[in-house]
Order: sequence, then C-alpha cells, then structure tokens
Amino acid sequence: AQSVTQPDIHITVSEGASLELRCNYSYGATPYLFWYVQSPGQGLQLLLKYFSGDTLVQGIKGFEAEFKRSQSSFNLRKPSVHWSDAAEYFCAVVVGSGNTGKLIFGQGTTLQVKP
Amino acid sequence: DAMVIQNPRYQVTQFGKPVTLSCSQTLNHNVMYWYQQKSSQAPKLLFHYYDKDFNNEADTPDNFQSRRPNTSFCFLDIRSPGLGDAAMYLCATSSYPLSTDTQYFGPGTRLTVL
Repeated sequence: AQSVTQPDIHITVSEGASLELRCNYSYGATPYLFWYVQSPGQGLQLLLKYFSGDTLVQGIKGFEAEFKRSQSSFNLRKPSVHWSDAAEYFCAVVVGSGNTGKLIFGQGTTLQVKP
Repeated sequence: DAMVIQNPRYQVTQFGKPVTLSCSQTLNHNVMYWYQQKSSQAPKLLFHYYDKDFNNEADTPDNFQSRRPNTSFCFLDIRSPGLGDAAMYLCATSSYPLSTDTQYFGPGTRLTVL
C-alpha cells in the first residue's frame, strides 16, 4: 500500500543550525511529493513540491528538498533555521490519479528551535 | 486576502447534537476537500467535491455528510457527534483533482465535543 513515513516525530535544533527532516515514501509509480508546514492551530501551508525534472526543489522560506528515487526519499533541508520555523512539518504523496487522486500524509515531524 | 476561509475557528457542541462547519473560497477552484486531523496525527481525507460530484472516502463514517451549494461554499455536517469526533477539521481547495495540482488549506475549525 502507498504510504509516507517520517521517521522523526520530534526534532530540536538550535537557531542558526542546519536542518534536515526525513521523508520516505512507498509508491510504485513516479511519485508526486509535497512538504507542508503547519503552525500551531493553523492550516497547512505548502513549502514545496516535486512532480518531475530537477530532483533538487526550492521552496518558500529558504527550504529545499531533494528527491532520491534510489532511496525512496524526499528529505527537507534548510541551511540556517530561524525561531519562526518551529512548527509541524508534513510530507505527503499523491496516490491515485484523476478524480480519485488524493494526498496521503506522513505522521508529521515537530520542529522545536532553541534560542 | 484570505483565500480559503473556515468558520467558525472554534466550535463546541454537545454529544449527539448536530453541528455544521463552513468553508468558503475566493479562488474559484473546482475541487473542495474536507480533512479530519486528530491531535498529533496527520490529516485524513473525509471526502471531496469536484464541482458538484461528491467523492466519499471508503472509511468515512456515515455520520459525516457534506454539501456544496455553489462553487464558493462547502459545508461539513456531523449528524450525531461523538467524543471521538473531536478534532481539527481542515478544508482545502484545488483547481483540479490531484494528481499534480496543489491544494490550498484553510486555517481549520477545532471541534470540541462535550
């Protein structure tokens, strides 16, 4: 079955340090992958997405992600974390197609930023 | 400037008392989705509308219904809320059904069931 796994439930980094959030997917065809961020009590905001082409994808707020088919991964990175990046991060994959296509989300990674 | 609006942001209801959550959008998108997100869990798709066509997920309880009277509005009705229905309910929209289109999410309505 198609699935998304985020191995790290909770990560704490110091402000200014680099960040990598892991995402592994299980999907037979070419995946369409997304990273969303959710601040406390808020909806989800799209950070970036991968459909095809360049495997290194740039997003908003200085985030990037790299698609690695051989590792079935789509890890999110940021070179220098800001306190405002503290939030919940969700990786998601589209399964199905056409009218039946839907997003399957990972369990999420909570990012805490230390001053 | 708001694109996907959900009202109310917080809703308290009593066990078994019907409740309706509202979503509106200014994007003129064809597709509107409803997700349920329980505490510390990922959002889970309940159903979506593609124009007037309703698509229910197989595991969505019958207790959950939806209406879309026009392009801009979509409602989530919970006929007899149970304690297990307490959650954040997220509305989202997209131009076309996935596979390649981005979904835009509203801020959510947090439902408390007493």
